[in-house]
Amino acid sequence: GQNIDQPTEMTATEGAIVQINCTYQTSGFNGLFWYQQHAGEAPTFLSYNVLDGLEEKGRFSSFLSRSKGYSYLLLKELQMKDSASYLCAASGAGSYQLTFGKGTKLSVIP
Amino acid sequence: KAGVTQTPRYLIKTRGQQVTLSCSPISGHRSVSWYQQTPGQGLQFLFEYFSETQRNKGNFPGRFSGRQFSNSRSEMNVSTLELGDSALYLCASKVLGGADSGANVLTFGAGSRLTVL
Repeated sequence: GQNIDQPTEMTATEGAIVQINCTYQTSGFNGLFWYQQHAGEAPTFLSYNVLDGLEEKGRFSSFLSRSKGYSYLLLKELQMKDSASYLCAASGAGSYQLTFGKGTKLSVIP
Repeated sequence: KAGVTQTPRYLIKTRGQQVTLSCSPISGHRSVSWYQQTPGQGLQFLFEYFSETQRNKGNFPGRFSGRQFSNSRSEMNVSTLELGDSALYLCASKVLGGADSGANVLTFGAGSRLTVL
């Protein structure tokens, strides 16, 4: 089975940097996804990590350590529109499903 | 290119009734997955269909079922509704039926919000 943990809520200030952590325990592991979900909307794909290290995409970066079962999503230069839930999801080896964490609700305040 | 379309967006049912939700995947996507999202449990996997066959199933009772048609459109059905079935039901599609990857990313619809009274 798979177990994924991430903080329930976080608050950060506009213009700041925030790091959302995710730890996972899986019986098999392919890669790690991050999705963003605004209230009342569909989750949208942000990033995918399969190898250890940092992947940068504009203001968003995602990091993976396979040996530690750990990932984080880094959001720089926070904007009010970044207020959303951020979902960490693990892809299991040989399986056809993503297992999601319960999501981290990020509130960006002025 | 149209996204994943789910209907209906909102519906209210009473306990004991049944409900059918519909999902039209992105054109060219052959795999359709269904998830249940609740505030307490987050997104939980229901099942995945590829080429009209159920490939994988989550830990939900048999009251939850689904199917996929030859045009890749999918439906899920919940029978004998319970209060705890109130949730947002999300459908997601991807190109291939294999494991998720950077080239095989799940794209979600906006969901069908079911309220059971």
